[in-house]
Amino acid sequence: QKEVEQNSGPLSVPEGAIASLNCTYSDRGSQSFFWYRQYSGKSPELIMFIYSNGDKEDGRFTAQLNKASQYVSLLIRDSQPSDSATYLCAGEMDSSYKLIFGSGTRLLVRP
Amino acid sequence: EPEVTQTPSHQVTQMGQEVILRCVPISNHLYFYWYRQILGQKVEFLVSFYNNEISEKSEIFDDQFSVERPDGSNFTLKIRSTKLEDSAMYFCASGSEGVNGELFFGEGSRLTVL
Repeated sequence: QKEVEQNSGPLSVPEGAIASLNCTYSDRGSQSFFWYRQYSGKSPELIMFIYSNGDKEDGRFTAQLNKASQYVSLLIRDSQPSDSATYLCAGEMDSSYKLIFGSGTRLLVRP
Repeated sequence: EPEVTQTPSHQVTQMGQEVILRCVPISNHLYFYWYRQILGQKVEFLVSFYNNEISEKSEIFDDQFSVERPDGSNFTLKIRSTKLEDSAMYFCASGSEGVNGELFFGEGSRLTVL
C-alpha cells in the first residue's frame, strides 16, 4: 500500500515564526509532490508543488524534497494567524492519474 | 478566475437511495477527478477520467459508483444505492496536465446518508 505519512499535530507556533511541516512517502518511484492547505470544512487549495530534489521557494513558502530519504517538507516563514489550517501533503503514486494524500498536519499560529 | 463548481453543496438522503453529484470542471481542462473526505479523515482518491473514459479507480469505487461526462461540460458522480458509510464530502477536481500539474478542487458536496 503506497502511503504518505504526516504528523497530525497540532503544530503551534507564534506569529512571525517559521513553521516547518514534514511528510514522508513510501513509494520510491514517486516523482511529484504537492502541498495543499485546507481550512475546516473547505476544499484543498494548492500552495506549492515540487518535482526535483532540493528547495523551491514561492513567497513565504519553501518546499523541500529529498528523494533519497523519501521526505518532503514545507517551511512557512513569517507565519500569520491566517495560516492556521490543516496542511496536506500529497504525492503522485503508481501513475499519473491520482494523488495520494497524507492525513494532514494542523497548524496553529498564535497571535 | 476560472473555478470548478459543484452542486449540490449539501445533500441529505436515505440509505439505499440514488444520488448524483454534479461538477462543472474548468473549461479547457482534460483531466477530471472525484475525491472524497470522510469527516476527520484523509482525502481519498475515488476515480480519474480522461479522454472520455475512466483512467484509474480506487478500491472504494465499486459497482455502486459511476461517473459520466454527459454533455462535454458536466462531470457527474452517481452512487446507485447509498450506504451510511458513503457519508462524506465529495470533491471534484480538474487539471490540464493530470497530476503533473495543479489540480483545481471544487468546494465540495457534502453527502449525508441517514
